[in-house]
Amino acid sequence: GEDVEQSLFLSVREGDSSVINCTYTDSSSTYLYWYKQEPGAGLQLLTYIFSNMDMKQDQRLTVLLNKKDKHLSLRIADTQTGDSAIYFCAETPSGTYKYIFGTGTRLKVLA
Amino acid sequence: EAGVTQFPSHSVIEKGQTVTLRCDPISGHDNLYWYRRVMGKEIKFLLHFVKESKQDESGMPNNRFLAERTGGTYSTLKVQPAELEDSGVYFCASSPAGANEQYFGPGTRLTVT
Repeated sequence: GEDVEQSLFLSVREGDSSVINCTYTDSSSTYLYWYKQEPGAGLQLLTYIFSNMDMKQDQRLTVLLNKKDKHLSLRIADTQTGDSAIYFCAETPSGTYKYIFGTGTRLKVLA
Repeated sequence: EAGVTQFPSHSVIEKGQTVTLRCDPISGHDNLYWYRRVMGKEIKFLLHFVKESKQDESGMPNNRFLAERTGGTYSTLKVQPAELEDSGVYFCASSPAGANEQYFGPGTRLTVT
């Protein structure tokens, strides 16, 4: 079946690292994505990883993929108040273009 | 380059009325998608157009929802008649041919009272 799960809330102090976790069930997924939604705004693509990769780094963002456990994480280094937002992970099941989204994790960065 | 735009940003209607949401994708993007997020739950796929053709409409909840993309440019999503459970945020996204990453619009918040 298709199901993507995330914890609902995460609170960190400014300057610390944030780790947002996601588990998915469809092992055929070819791409996995992280999107950010700021208040009143749409979904902004942060990064994505192909299923044959273990890790992808892009400036302050590090994506780790454990395909065996179907676990995806997003690490934000040196978290800033501007990183406060809802973060969604999403997968694309093989053979489709549609996204299966998680419920979103609300990240709150404390000054 | 302009991003995906959606209109209106917010719509409040009464149960039983009709509402039409519009999405203008990024110019040149063949793929257009509709999603919705109901009451803080996960964002759910509704349907996928390739140009003017419906590629996948497996997420459309029922026949009260009608999506069109005449001419393969902008798309409309009509809800008729609207029910209370249709309230939520409707997102549109687009992507170029052959690409997996989707670019989302700001969404339309629909409130059915």
